[in-house]
Amino acid sequence: SQQGEEDPQALSIQEGENATMNCSYKTSINNLQWYRQNSGRGLVHLILIRSNEREKHSGRLRVTLDTSKKSSSLLITASRAADTASYFCATPGGTSYGKLTFGQGTILTVHP
Amino acid sequence: DVKVTQSSRYLVKRTGEKVFLECVQDMDHENMFWYRQDPGLGLRLIYFSYDVKMKEKGDIPEGYSVSREKKERFSLILESASTNQTSMYLCASSGGQGNTIYFGEGSWLTVV
Repeated sequence: SQQGEEDPQALSIQEGENATMNCSYKTSINNLQWYRQNSGRGLVHLILIRSNEREKHSGRLRVTLDTSKKSSSLLITASRAADTASYFCATPGGTSYGKLTFGQGTILTVHP
Repeated sequence: DVKVTQSSRYLVKRTGEKVFLECVQDMDHENMFWYRQDPGLGLRLIYFSYDVKMKEKGDIPEGYSVSREKKERFSLILESASTNQTSMYLCASSGGQGNTIYFGEGSWLTVV
């Protein structure tokens, strides 16, 4: 079952612009994670934000979490062609075993 | 660095064949997962394991089984492959609830 839903499904921008991706989820969570997937490869963890955090930064990434609206956003600043990838949000799958439920992802294309 | 290794990157199998997808992790993680990824459907959890010889069904277990005889190894088995099991299969591991999930590079399976 899908928990996180990303928006937009696809985003095309020029190098140097900022990219914003949004994620909505349905049930209460204690954390939310963002992952990146280059074409044809496995997923790589980017950042985790806990439910008591509102904003978190990592390099050019900024993640926000609004638990009242059950939504999160991922901002990539000063994007580069190498940022071209799919981005997924993931929320706990409801057990104590670290299971995650992933959204369908946003495909980001950054044009040089 | 955590490493999750999937033994086969590309496989082509015939309908009705028994297929084994092998996965090994080197971080002594308790939890291991098998996901399948299809266009438009995102990542869907097939099975996961939280300890040696322990397993639980995910969202789409039909047509699959798993084996975890050793902590580092988690195998996905297709008893009788069918064309609708053509997909990318992703193995992952994590150390517990809320922890980062580490993915392998994926196995592309084509059933003809």
